[in-house]
Amino acid sequence: EPEVTQTPSHQVTQMGQEVILRCVPISNHLYFYWYRQILGQKVEFLVSFYNNEISEKSEIFDDQFSVERPDGSNFTLKIRSTKLEDSAMYFCASSEEGYNEKLFFGSGTQLSVL
Amino acid sequence: GESVGLHLPTLSVQEGDNSIINCAYSNSASDYFIWYKQESGKGPQFIIDIRSNMDKRQGQRVTVLLNKTVKHLSLQIAATQPGDSAVYFCAENGGLGNQFYFGTGTSLTVIP
Repeated sequence: EPEVTQTPSHQVTQMGQEVILRCVPISNHLYFYWYRQILGQKVEFLVSFYNNEISEKSEIFDDQFSVERPDGSNFTLKIRSTKLEDSAMYFCASSEEGYNEKLFFGSGTQLSVL
Repeated sequence: GESVGLHLPTLSVQEGDNSIINCAYSNSASDYFIWYKQESGKGPQFIIDIRSNMDKRQGQRVTVLLNKTVKHLSLQIAATQPGDSAVYFCAENGGLGNQFYFGTGTSLTVIP
């Protein structure tokens, strides 16, 4: 069964450093997403991406965050200058269509900012 | 400062019993809902979805019920198995766009 894959599974970084989280969405999917889950809290929407541009973003997704689809398979989330409060599990997801379609999630990248 | 985490509702059931997990959603404009299962250290796994033009939908061993009047969603798991132990989240689409809003989750423990 096709699945969303994410690398790395764990990332430890120093505050102020840049990190790039990587995702390979399901191959025939057109919409891509990043969500995050701070320990003990709800899963929160960050951004959605379609046709090589951001379609929606939340208040969390400020200027420190960016997304990119550098080639035909990868989808990345970059945090330019990490803060302690960026520590969370980051989930990539994809869907075949956009509106009212189920999302398929990857296993996540646990980001720890020290 | 100290972070405050959510206190997940918990449900413990005997193996073989049926489980009912409830969710109150917040936005009356939401017209699409999904139940996800999340095991420790893994991403949310799709279980079943329902659109607002339906009241009930059945899958394999799972049934979702939607009551739009009171903004309530439930997930019924028949003949619960140890492998069903996980945190279960409902997600609503808010009626616009393609972002989902997740509930706080319910932790299900199946006792063998």
